Amino acid sequence: QLLLQESGPGLVKPSETLSLTCTVSGGSINSDIYYWVWIRQSPGKGLEWIGTVYHTGTTFYNPSLKSRVTISVDTARNQFSLTLTSMTAADTAVYYCARRSLSGELGIGYWGQGTLVTVSS
Amino acid sequence: VMTQSPATLSVSPGERATLSCRASRSVSYNVAWYQQKPGQAPRLLIFGASTRVTGVPARFSGSGSGTEFSLTISSLQSEDFAVYYCQQYDNWPLTFGGGTKVEIK
Repeated sequence: QLLLQESGPGLVKPSETLSLTCTVSGGSINSDIYYWVWIRQSPGKGLEWIGTVYHTGTTFYNPSLKSRVTISVDTARNQFSLTLTSMTAADTAVYYCARRSLSGELGIGYWGQGTLVTVSS
Repeated sequence: VMTQSPATLSVSPGERATLSCRASRSVSYNVAWYQQKPGQAPRLLIFGASTRVTGVPARFSGSGSGTEFSLTISSLQSEDFAVYYCQQYDNWPLTFGGGTKVEIK
């Protein structure tokens, strides 16, 4: 059973940098048929794609966040990470890590439980 | 941009619900539908516009191509009351619709 688990601070001060890690268990991150994804959801709002990383390190970012986002992958640790700089109250959200399949059942089929990040001084 | 309608759909248990999703440009069949219940992560229901994920009940069906898509729940059960999102994966950036909340009438 594939499991994804987000870890990181629940509270970040305005202007600071958020760093989150997603640990993948029950499967290898080093696969040609999966993308690894970060998505967020502001309280009471819809889903916003932040970005995606492939096991090779290739990344794709949401243009609206591109200047502040970095996503990286650590295949040795079976983890991928999100860094978001210059945090503001508008970045308060539940952050999900997830896996998107490129073969078989396409779409984002596995999600972490999500971690709430609040931006406040 | 993916636009969902209506924002809220009030339906009685056992009735049929049809949710719509429109893409601002053609995304072929590259649309997925997700169900999200309060406090939970989204759950993938449909991919390829119309293919149910393993384990998803047959009362859920998807259709459409190009720019117009729909999700139909043929006979709503109590566990189906939730928010539903469409998402296109035809091109970058990945985009989600704003969601349709299916509530009990």
